[in-house]
Amino acid sequence: DTEVTQTPKHLVMGMTNKKSLKCEQHMGHRAMYWYKQKAKKPPELMFVYSYEKLSINESVPSRFSPECPNSSLLNLHLHALQPEDSALYLCASSQTVTSTDTQYFGPGTRLTVL
Amino acid sequence: SQELEQSPQSLIVQEGKNLTINCTSSKTLYGLYWYKQKYGEGLIFLMMLQKGGEEKSHEKITAKLDEKKQQSSLHITASQPSHAGIYLCGADLRLQGAQKLVFGQGTRLTINP
Repeated sequence: DTEVTQTPKHLVMGMTNKKSLKCEQHMGHRAMYWYKQKAKKPPELMFVYSYEKLSINESVPSRFSPECPNSSLLNLHLHALQPEDSALYLCASSQTVTSTDTQYFGPGTRLTVL
Repeated sequence: SQELEQSPQSLIVQEGKNLTINCTSSKTLYGLYWYKQKYGEGLIFLMMLQKGGEEKSHEKITAKLDEKKQQSSLHITASQPSHAGIYLCGADLRLQGAQKLVFGQGTRLTINP
């Protein structure tokens, strides 16, 4: 089983709202990732968690706040977003952060900021 | 400039025809991944290549990594409508540290009946 689940599938929020994206995997993976994908562009890495600790933050604005409460869960808390933050947000997981460990992706959350 | 260059950017082929997508890096590839994405959906893992000269196949899709480990190709034989989608190559171009995948711009494949 290589399933990564993400909720919600779609999210519409105003610029003053606070919302959260959720990602879950039960493959025993210890590395989890958040990516942002704009229309007709490839995914871009936002955050990497390794053993529940933040390993990489790709200079993401503080209005995006990641959280890894346990080895199976990854959240992305959203606050005071801008319309340009509208995108597909993808979660992925891999066995570890080693370059040769395959990342498996979830179906994504389509976020629209009004 | 793009670290991973994919070509072509889009491809329209008739059902049953063969096709090839290329992915070129300016740096040595330590792990090269091929993914497929349907519009607005997640990425589906196809294959991973690590060793120079390596070739892997799954059903009608074959991927190769050249000996110098700076280029990979994805070949589809006897294309079917189910092959339509966006094909992305991804790689970690660093030798050490946590995995940071960068992706090519993608190749949009359309299969005409």
